[in-house]
Amino acid sequence: QVQLRESGPGLVKPSETLSLTCTVSGGSISNYYWTWIRQPPGKGLEWIGYTFYTGSPDYNPSLKSRVTMSLDTSKSQFSLKVTSVTAADTAVYYCVRVSGDYTARPFDYWGQGALVTVSS
Amino acid sequence: DIVMTQSPDSLAVSLGERATINCKSSQSLLYRSNNNNYLAWYQQKPGQPPKLLIYWASTRESGVPDRFSGSGSGTDFTLTISSLQAEDVAVYYCQQYYSTPRRTFGQGTKVEIK
Repeated sequence: QVQLRESGPGLVKPSETLSLTCTVSGGSISNYYWTWIRQPPGKGLEWIGYTFYTGSPDYNPSLKSRVTMSLDTSKSQFSLKVTSVTAADTAVYYCVRVSGDYTARPFDYWGQGALVTVSS
Repeated sequence: DIVMTQSPDSLAVSLGERATINCKSSQSLLYRSNNNNYLAWYQQKPGQPPKLLIYWASTRESGVPDRFSGSGSGTDFTLTISSLQAEDVAVYYCQQYYSTPRRTFGQGTKVEIK
């Protein structure tokens, strides 16, 4: 059974960088697309971007200037960085698997989520 | 961007009764070359991540009870819970995976017991 687990600081100061890592177990990290999705408290879901073990990531245009995603197959991990954070970046961040090696597929495995609060 | 609009925002249904959630996309999600609708439904219970219920608009994910069904094509889709159970209390989201690369979700529909 594929499992995903997010890790990283739960509190980030405004203007600093949010960094999260997702560890994948129970399956290969290669041959699938991986994504981050966030959910502000009490609100809906926002897709952040995709990463794959080859090629360049794709990002939500609304966040593209501040987001970097990367993947390390040797560690079965992928990561997210969001720079210059504000209170609007406070959310539960989910790492998620796309159900195939093509982005036009649904999201089939989700981590439990990591709450990141932006506050001084 | 493709905008996904769900209706209603919330609904209360008696146990054993039918619940119907609608989802409308701002452009067609039907890919004519394979006749597939690039639309998924997710269920999110309080304090949990979303769970994939339905993909290709009408295909149930493995392990999902058959009281959940999806229908529709093009721009109009429906998620139906044929006989609401207590464990179905959740927020339900539709999501399009047609538009590359950006994926968008509906705003969510909260289902409660009447």
